[in-house]
Amino acid sequence: DGGITQSPKYLFRKEGQNVTLSCEQNLNHDAMYWYRQDPGQGLRLIYYSQIVNDFQKGDIAEGYSVSREKKESFPLTVTSAQKNPTAFYLCASIQGAGYEQFFGPGTRLTVL
Amino acid sequence: AQSVAQPEDQVNVAEGNPLTVKCTYSVSGNPYLFWYVQYPNRGLQFLLKYITGDNLVKGSYGFEAEFNKSQTSFHLKKPSALVSDSALYFCAVRVRLTDKLIFGTGTRLQVFP
Repeated sequence: DGGITQSPKYLFRKEGQNVTLSCEQNLNHDAMYWYRQDPGQGLRLIYYSQIVNDFQKGDIAEGYSVSREKKESFPLTVTSAQKNPTAFYLCASIQGAGYEQFFGPGTRLTVL
Repeated sequence: AQSVAQPEDQVNVAEGNPLTVKCTYSVSGNPYLFWYVQYPNRGLQFLLKYITGDNLVKGSYGFEAEFNKSQTSFHLKKPSALVSDSALYFCAVRVRLTDKLIFGTGTRLQVFP
């Protein structure tokens, strides 16, 4: 079955640590996106990539980094520079213009 | 700047009654509009979209939405609510050329038996 997988489902981080969230898709989609979800704020875009080896900052990129070395993979690293990283992180991909974004199941990150 | 507003944090409706979840947008040019639903600790599921054509769009699970250009609205509707429709609903507008989505803050729908 085609889809997006995110791992881990739950992640706990100590302050000062970097952590990497995985996002993999087997839909052959070119574009991929990372969103952060906080209660009452909807989803906010962190980074996106429209093609392999290229990515762009979204609205809240500070403290995060990404890579896009393969079409199917778009990992997100939450660095120690992110002041308030506790949130639900969602990865998405899209087939093309005019299509809907397809979302993964999410990773809940908690900073201890 | 493009934006989406969902003016109600929560909507309560009795099972069997019609439901409406409101969404207004601000965008230059013709909008691409989307509705998604989210169940607890899950990703977003696509419900329906408006790209062009008929103003009444039909989607998954019996939901529909009415695009109103003059009022810049895209309200989500269902003729008869089910308890299982209880979830968090998001309206979104596409940013041209990048296919980024700008989301509203979400509306929690509670359907009571």
